[in-house]
Amino acid sequence: KAGVTQTPRYLIKTRGQQVTLSCSPISGHRSVSWYQQTPGQGLQFLFEYFSETQRNKGNFPGRFSGRQFSNSRSEMNVSTLELGDSALYLCASSDSGSGNTIYFGEGSWLTVV
Amino acid sequence: AQSVTQPDIHITVSEGASLELRCNYSYGATPYLFWYVQSPGQGLQLLLKYFSGDTLVQGIKGFEAEFKRSQSSFNLRKPSVHWSDAAEYFCAVVISGGYNKLIFGAGTRLAVHP
Repeated sequence: KAGVTQTPRYLIKTRGQQVTLSCSPISGHRSVSWYQQTPGQGLQFLFEYFSETQRNKGNFPGRFSGRQFSNSRSEMNVSTLELGDSALYLCASSDSGSGNTIYFGEGSWLTVV
Repeated sequence: AQSVTQPDIHITVSEGASLELRCNYSYGATPYLFWYVQSPGQGLQLLLKYFSGDTLVQGIKGFEAEFKRSQSSFNLRKPSVHWSDAAEYFCAVVISGGYNKLIFGAGTRLAVHP
C-alpha cells in the first residue's frame, strides 16, 4: 500500500497570499488530520476530517481551513499568510474510529517571506 | 487539560549503549499511546503503539515501550543504540472520545556518539 502522500513538498509564499496543501491518505483510510510543526510550538493539531465532515478542530484562527473529498483526499488552506505560518504541515491518515493507528506523510514545508 | 511531558529535550548516548526516553501523560483514564520518530526534514514514522493488553509493547527498529498506569508513563527503550537512531522522538496520546486527535510531547532529540 502506498503511504500518505502530501503535495507540494516545498513552497515559498509571500505575506498576504494564500496557500493550498493537498493530502492523499492511505487507501481505505477515511480519517485525515492535519498538524502544524514549528520549532517554537512543536506539533499542534489543526483539524480532522472523517467521511467529508470535520469532526475535530484545534485552536487555530479561521484563516486555517480544510476540506475532505468523497475519495478521502483532503486539502488545507491558509489565507492571508503571515510570517508565523512558516512551518512543516503534516497530514495523517487512519481508518475509522478513534485511537486507530495513525500514519503520517512526509509533510509540506511552507516558508512565508 | 490533557498533556504529554517529555522531560528530556536532548539526550546523547554512545553507540551500543542502552537508551530510555521518558514520557508522562496527564489524563484521567488510559489513553491510546504512541511513539513516533522524525529524522531531519522528514515526516513522522510510527515506532509503536499501546491500546490495551500487555503493557510491554514491541515496535520497529528494536524499540520497545512499557506502559505503567500507576506512573502515567510510557517510556521508550532500546537495549543497544545504533548511529542511525539519531533523530527526534515524540510521545503522543489520543484520549478517549478524541477521535484521532494526537496530543504530542515536545520531543526528545537523540544524538549518538560513535
